[in-house]
Amino acid sequence: SQELEQSPQSLIVQEGKNLTINCTSSKTLYGLYWYKQKYGEGLIFLMMLQKGGEEKSHEKITAKLDEKKQQSSLHITASQPSHAGIYLCGALGGGSQGNLIFGKGTKLSVKP
Amino acid sequence: EPEVTQTPSHQVTQMGQEVILRCVPISNHLYFYWYRQILGQKVEFLVSFYNNEISEKSEIFDDQFSVERPDGSNFTLKIRSTKLEDSAMYFCASSRLNEQFFGPGTRLTVL
Repeated sequence: SQELEQSPQSLIVQEGKNLTINCTSSKTLYGLYWYKQKYGEGLIFLMMLQKGGEEKSHEKITAKLDEKKQQSSLHITASQPSHAGIYLCGALGGGSQGNLIFGKGTKLSVKP
Repeated sequence: EPEVTQTPSHQVTQMGQEVILRCVPISNHLYFYWYRQILGQKVEFLVSFYNNEISEKSEIFDDQFSVERPDGSNFTLKIRSTKLEDSAMYFCASSRLNEQFFGPGTRLTVL
C-alpha cells in the first residue's frame, strides 16, 4: 500500500523567514494534495498537483511535484503567524473514486 | 464561497448507541466522502459515494457503518453500535472532479 512521509514533523520559524515542507511517496503520485489544518478543525484545501514538474502558487505558498512524481514540496515565503498550523499532504489512493491517503502532517509554528 | 458543512460539531454518546453524523456537501458536487482522524493520528479514508451508491470503502468501514444521501442535499454517516475506538474527528468531503473540499468535522466521543 502507498505511504506518504512528511518532513520535518514539526517546524518553528521566525516570522518573515522562508520554509519548505516535503512529502515523499512510496509509489508514483497520480494526484498530490496539500491541505492546512488547524488543531481540532477541518482541512483547508490549498492546492492539487498532477503533472510531473508542475508548480502552483497561491499567495505566498508554492507547491511543486517533482518530475518523477514521487515527491512534492511546499514552500512558504516570508512566513506570517497566520501560516501556523498542520500541513498535510494527501495522495490519490489508487481507488477509482478519488479516496485520499494522508501523511502524518507537519506542524508549523511561526514566532512573531 | 460554497463550503461543506457538518453537524453536530461535537457528539458525545454511550458505547453501544447509534449515532448519525450529518453533512451538507457543496451543491454541484458529485462525489462524497467520509474520513476520520483519531486524535494524534493520520486522516483515514472510510468511504466514497457516487451516484447514490458506495463506490469504495476501506477496511475500517465495516458492517457497523452505513452512509446515505436521503435527499438532494444531505449526506449522512451512521454508526450502529458505537465502540470506544470510534472516538475520532469525522470529516465529510465532496468533489466535483479532482479537488476535494472538507467540512469542519464532527468530534465524536464514545464513553
